[in-house]
Formats: sequence, C-alpha cells, structure tokens
Amino acid sequence: AQSVTQLGSHVSVSEGALVLLRCNYSSSVPPYLFWYVQYPNQGLQLLLKYTSAATLVKGINGFEAEFKKSETSFHLTKPSAHMSDAAEYFCAVNRPGGFKTIFGAGTRLFVKA
Amino acid sequence: EAGVVQSPRYKIIEKKQPVAFWCNPISGHNTLYWYLQNLGQGPELLIRYENEEAVDDSQLPKDRFSAERLKGVDSTLKIQPAELGDSAVYLCASDTGTGGDGAGELFFGEGSRLTVL
Repeated sequence: AQSVTQLGSHVSVSEGALVLLRCNYSSSVPPYLFWYVQYPNQGLQLLLKYTSAATLVKGINGFEAEFKKSETSFHLTKPSAHMSDAAEYFCAVNRPGGFKTIFGAGTRLFVKA
Repeated sequence: EAGVVQSPRYKIIEKKQPVAFWCNPISGHNTLYWYLQNLGQGPELLIRYENEEAVDDSQLPKDRFSAERLKGVDSTLKIQPAELGDSAVYLCASDTGTGGDGAGELFFGEGSRLTVL
C-alpha cells in the first residue's frame, strides 16, 4: 500500500522568505511522486512530479522538490515566497503501472507581507 | 483548450434529497475520475472510468451513490438520498489514460461544493 504524510497542516512565511513544505511517503515499490497546488475556489493543478529520473525536480512558479529515498521524503521548496503562492499544496504518490494517485491531507501556505 | 468543466459549483440541499453533479472532461481524455474532498483533507478516489467502463468503483458507497459515463465523455455522479456527512467538495479529474503508467498528470475541475442541511 502507498501513502503520503504531509507534516504541518498550516505553514506561514513572510514574503521573500524560504518556503519549505514537507512530505514523507510510504511505498513498497519505487514511487512516482507529485506536488499539486490548489488556489482558492479552483481545482488542483500539477506543480511538479518525480518519475525516477533526476532526483531534483523543478516545477512551475519557481518551486522544486528533491526525492530522497533514504529519508522517504519529497519536500517542496521555493527560495523566495511571493504573496501569490498562498494556496493549499498536496503531495501525492503513485507507482509505475498504477492507476490510483493517493493524496496527502494538504498543507495550507500563508504568506505575510 | 478548455479544461475540465463541472457543474454546479455550489449546491445546498436538505438531507434525504437527491443531488447530481456533472463533469465534462478535457477532449480526448479517456480516463475520468471522481474524487471526494472533505474539509481539511486531500482528495480521495470514488470511481475511475476508462471510456464508458467503471474500472474501479471500490470506494464508491453504492447504497446511495451512483455514477455513469454514457458514451465515454461526460459523467454524472448522483447521491440519493443525501446525508449530512456528504457535505464536501466533489472533484472531477481526467487524464489521457496512457495505459496506467502511473506518471500521468491529473487535470482537475474546480469542484462542486455540496452542503447538506
């Protein structure tokens, strides 16, 4: 079975500060990992994904995530937060040949001026 | 290109009433999903369609929930009768259905927010 755990349901940062959203996964097979973002009153959209190529993955809007097998982690980072980054972020996992993407509970990011 | 379209965006009903949600996926996307998103939680899969066939409905509460995808395009999710605990956002998503490689991006609609009073 696969699962993801997002540490921290809410994260607050100042504009210009580093954003770090934590995700740990559990999977009995090499996973595919995703980060999705959900802006208020909108659907989820893909930020980035890891599919067993480079362990450092770059996504849209300046976000990136690093796959660390030894730590079973896939944390999302952005060097400098912008007000427009305020949203809910979901980590998700699937597997090669898999049909079911499993989502974490989400982390709401607040950005203070 | 139009995205995934869902309606209605918001619905308020009394308990025991029926309700239906409609989804139009991205053109050419063979795979369609209905997800349930409770407040403060991530989306949970209810049902997955490959064209018109429901290939995974193991998480769909079949006593009150039903879904259909006639002609393999639009889909409808129905609840009858609705209960208080059904208050949530119902998300529709689609993808190209690349043989279940697991790496595909899901494209989500904006969701239908249901409130049951």
